[in-house]
Amino acid sequence: QKEVEQDPGPLSVPEGAIVSLNCTYSNSAFQYFMWYRQYSRKGPELLMYTYSSGNKEDGRFTAQVDKSSKYISLFIRDSQPSDSATYLCAMSASNYGGSQGNLIFGKGTKLSVKP
Amino acid sequence: GAVVSQHPSWVICKSGTSVKIECRSLDFQATTMFWYRQFPKQSLMLMATSNEGSKATYEQGVEKDKFLINHASLTLSTLTVTSAHPEDSSFYICSSLGLLAGGNYEQYFGPGTRLTVT
Repeated sequence: QKEVEQDPGPLSVPEGAIVSLNCTYSNSAFQYFMWYRQYSRKGPELLMYTYSSGNKEDGRFTAQVDKSSKYISLFIRDSQPSDSATYLCAMSASNYGGSQGNLIFGKGTKLSVKP
Repeated sequence: GAVVSQHPSWVICKSGTSVKIECRSLDFQATTMFWYRQFPKQSLMLMATSNEGSKATYEQGVEKDKFLINHASLTLSTLTVTSAHPEDSSFYICSSLGLLAGGNYEQYFGPGTRLTVT
């Protein structure tokens, strides 16, 4: 079993829809959870950063972490065509994905929001 | 967020040659930088952790003699792919580790370098 599992999609939704993206993980030591957005042929851009369990909201984006189920989610409300990108979850046991706890990425889910 | 640049953004080289990729942290000093590799439809895989003034730490399975990393200053790390082969063709991404107010860290990613070996 891989440490982080993420459905690669692709996921296609109409503009204005609520999008739900998810990752599951197996390592109970993970404490820091992140969502990145990556446009084609570009580097990842941090969207959300969450420590431990709970919810975090930033504009149209909400991140949820359920450590008991080892399950994290990213919700996008009122989705826009500009949200079309690949969304990667990442997690770490330390508060920076460094040598003491690397950032482990999911494969990414490719999202397409149709006008 | 902080700005990290990479150069070149795209490079094509012949098999057997070496290619150097630069990663620059433009607006903050980074004692730690990371190098990742991303194959099509695959996740980012950490190759090595680069610390300024010391030898890089390589992940298991990454050949340190093939992927030479130099972190000579607080704003520049370089990755040299030596004797490149077609299977080295990939998207190489660097990141810089920054300390945020409040004590949390964040990795700021560069735009990536697409390497094609013919």
